[in-house]
Amino acid sequence: DTEVTQTPKHLVMGMTNKKSLKCEQHMGHRAMYWYKQKAKKPPELMFVYSYEKLSINESVPSRFSPECPNSSLLNLHLHALQPEDSALYLCASSQSLAGGHNEQFFGPGTRLTVL
Amino acid sequence: GQQVMQIPQYQHVQEGEDFTTYCNSSTTLSNIQWYKQRPGGHPVFLIQLVKSGEVKKQKRLTFQFGEAKKNSSLHITATQTTDVGTYFCAGRSNDYKLSFGAGTTVTVRA
Repeated sequence: DTEVTQTPKHLVMGMTNKKSLKCEQHMGHRAMYWYKQKAKKPPELMFVYSYEKLSINESVPSRFSPECPNSSLLNLHLHALQPEDSALYLCASSQSLAGGHNEQFFGPGTRLTVL
Repeated sequence: GQQVMQIPQYQHVQEGEDFTTYCNSSTTLSNIQWYKQRPGGHPVFLIQLVKSGEVKKQKRLTFQFGEAKKNSSLHITATQTTDVGTYFCAGRSNDYKLSFGAGTTVTVRA
């Protein structure tokens, strides 16, 4: 299985809602990532987990809360978002953070709209 | 922080022609990766270059890594409609982060 899956594919939420994005991989990868991508822009790194521990937080606002329950799963909890947070949220995984095999496998993304 | 610049932003190509997209980093990279994102899709890994001066080929795609490990290029020959999409370079430095270039969006005229 060389796939990263993400649910839901689309999400519309109000500014007072709480929702979660989910990501799963079964490639045995030990590094997992959350990216945010706006239209016509490159992916922008948000968080990196390595061996289920948060390694990098790119100064992301606290209304985004990541969680890595086990080596295959990565969640992104959303609360009190703003309309400017509307974007494609991409999950990715790689074999590890260090070392030579760090090419990233991306999931299809969750298209988030905040009203 | 590290920045990776990529040009051109847009490339309109006649089918059958060649084109090149270029990336430049402000700092020395440990490696550089290239990804392709089709319209409505997600980034898909194409290749990773690690060594100074490295050249790799994938059918009609040729990837180069500069001698100083600060720049890279992707050259596509005989462009086809299947080449449509946005090509991103992503430079990796010692802090394990990938810094993506702005991307080159390719459209093809049949």
